[in-house]
Amino acid sequence: ETGVTQTPRHLVMGMTNKKSLKCEQHLGHNAMYWYKQSAKKPLELMFVYNFKEQTENNSVPSRFSPECPNSSHLFLHLHTLQPEDSALYLCASSQDDEREGYLDTQYFGPGTRLTVL
Amino acid sequence: AQKVTQAQTEISVVEKEDVTLDCVYETRDTTYYLFWYKQPPSGELVFLIRRNSFDEQNEISGRYSWNFQKSTSSFNFTITASQVVDSAVYFCALSEDIIQGAQKLVFGQGTRLTINP
Repeated sequence: ETGVTQTPRHLVMGMTNKKSLKCEQHLGHNAMYWYKQSAKKPLELMFVYNFKEQTENNSVPSRFSPECPNSSHLFLHLHTLQPEDSALYLCASSQDDEREGYLDTQYFGPGTRLTVL
Repeated sequence: AQKVTQAQTEISVVEKEDVTLDCVYETRDTTYYLFWYKQPPSGELVFLIRRNSFDEQNEISGRYSWNFQKSTSSFNFTITASQVVDSAVYFCALSEDIIQGAQKLVFGQGTRLTINP
């Protein structure tokens, strides 16, 4: 089983649809992340969860709603999206420690290619 | 604010040539981490290397080598004897301080590397 998996790999949805992206990590990590990668901008951090608690919401519109039921699973619920939300959505995980200054590497999943019509 | 600049948007070389990808960063932190990731056409970000700001030793891993120079805030990546399989988009990233136990990565725009046979 690869470290971080994402489903679906491709998703096409209309602006009125509701869909969810799923991410699962098999690395025993305690922090998970959602990133957005669009053609016009560099990778943008959207949300961070550490120990199942959301610690960062990077000014993301409310039409994106994250959920982290446990440290292995992360969801991104989508509703009433806009065409400009079409992008590659990447999930990542890391083992982040409360020891000051300790950082682990973030490992990424393959991404979900989202197209909003 | 922290920033990563990859000035080379695209590079194209012939197989077996050496190629260097540039990365310049800005940070006010004294402790930070730098990363390189590779993104092949499949979309997944593949971790290549992580470097602590206190460790300025250059590193070599097979055909890959990294030159970290704090004095010029640069962390350049060289591929020796390039191969077609090296074709990908390469990202340099900088970690921000840990906030409530979770790290944030700031990515550069990426450099698209094409190795022609």
